[in-house]
Amino acid sequence: DTEVTQTPKHLVMGMTNKKSLKCEQHMGHRAMYWYKQKAKKPPELMFVYSYEKLSINESVPSRFSPECPNSSLLNLHLHALQPEDSALYLCASSTDTDTQYFGPGTRLTVL
Amino acid sequence: AQKVTQAQTEISVVEKEDVTLDCVYETRDTTYYLFWYKQPPSGELVFLIRRNSFDEQNEISGRYSWNFQKSTSSFNFTITASQVVDSAVYFCALSEEDNYGQNFVFGPGTRLSVLP
Repeated sequence: DTEVTQTPKHLVMGMTNKKSLKCEQHMGHRAMYWYKQKAKKPPELMFVYSYEKLSINESVPSRFSPECPNSSLLNLHLHALQPEDSALYLCASSTDTDTQYFGPGTRLTVL
Repeated sequence: AQKVTQAQTEISVVEKEDVTLDCVYETRDTTYYLFWYKQPPSGELVFLIRRNSFDEQNEISGRYSWNFQKSTSSFNFTITASQVVDSAVYFCALSEEDNYGQNFVFGPGTRLSVLP
């Protein structure tokens, strides 16, 4: 089973809203990732959690706040976003062999 | 710094044609991993293959085949007898050893359209 699930599939929010994106995997992977993907571009790494600790933060604005409650769950808390933050947000997980398995993504629109 | 180049931005073929997607990479590491992912219009990135730098054997999986040549730093992907369902964006990616994603870099992608 190589399934990574993400909720919601679509999200529309205003610039003053607070929302959260959720990601879950049950493959026993100890690394989890958040990526942002704009149209016609490759995914850009935002955050990496390794053994439930934040190991990489690619200079992402503080209006994005990741959280890893346990080894199976990864959240991305959103607050005071800008319209340019509208994108596909992808979650992935991996073992130490580096193959990342991706979820279906959340399409976020910020109005 | 590592880098992945996919020179073909968009390719269109007619169904049943063979098509090759090019990938050229740069890295200073001797141990690294190369990947291909498929992204259909639904958005999910689907893992296709992983190859480590010490394994230059070509691989075939059904209609898919991969040609890894360290001498030219290339990892090309061929689809034989293409089908409409192969229409997607294909990303080549590179990861260096012992890093949980810190150095996982995607190429810009190649959009493949297979016409009926």
